[in-house]
Amino acid sequence: NAGVTQTPKFQVLKTGQSMTLQCAQDMNHEYMSWYRQDPGMGLRLIHYSVGAGITDQGEVPNGYNVSRSTTEDFPLRLLSAAPSQTSVYFCASSYGTGSLSSGANVLTFGAGSRLTVL
Amino acid sequence: AQSVTQPDIHITVSEGASLELRCNYSYGATPYLFWYVQSPGQGLQLLLKYFSGDTLVQGIKGFEAEFKRSQSSFNLRKPSVHWSDAAEYFCAVGAMDFQKLVFGTGTRLLVSP
Repeated sequence: NAGVTQTPKFQVLKTGQSMTLQCAQDMNHEYMSWYRQDPGMGLRLIHYSVGAGITDQGEVPNGYNVSRSTTEDFPLRLLSAAPSQTSVYFCASSYGTGSLSSGANVLTFGAGSRLTVL
Repeated sequence: AQSVTQPDIHITVSEGASLELRCNYSYGATPYLFWYVQSPGQGLQLLLKYFSGDTLVQGIKGFEAEFKRSQSSFNLRKPSVHWSDAAEYFCAVGAMDFQKLVFGTGTRLLVSP
């Protein structure tokens, strides 16, 4: 059971380049999300999905696109990278239903992807 | 909208000493509260959570947290810190749609010999 797998772990881009951060989970979780972590700012929600075919914006969605064609995968796309997108990105997933006491809706995080935009 | 404040950016504790990390939240209804720990270069791991019932909750690795509604606080405690506890700790609050957590800015714990 691999949990939440993020690739790549490290990436360097030039301004204006595009790339996709991959996220896959093998726990059959309905809910998946992307956060970015910046020094002194904690984690901020970029986009999230409550199931295949359904996505929505979080706190800081500008400059990022997502899609959810399968339950397992939730890629994050940067169409035209900017230096302000230099950050560590975390993907997380959870069960979408059930009680919190049963462990549902508790986020499981990937190990992160460190992105540098020059 | 909910928010979380972790007033301490860094805390240094001697090994074996007790620890308390502060967390204050702002939310109009009953919050869902979480503490996560992040070791260097790693993702976040859940330490404990609170959503109802007993206001003192136990977590993994010997941590506990107490929910105080009157103070809007959810402080994390450990009676005796080990060197392996050195990490960054995040408090988070969720609303009814508690997958969309709002995180605090984190407290970095340093453990001195």
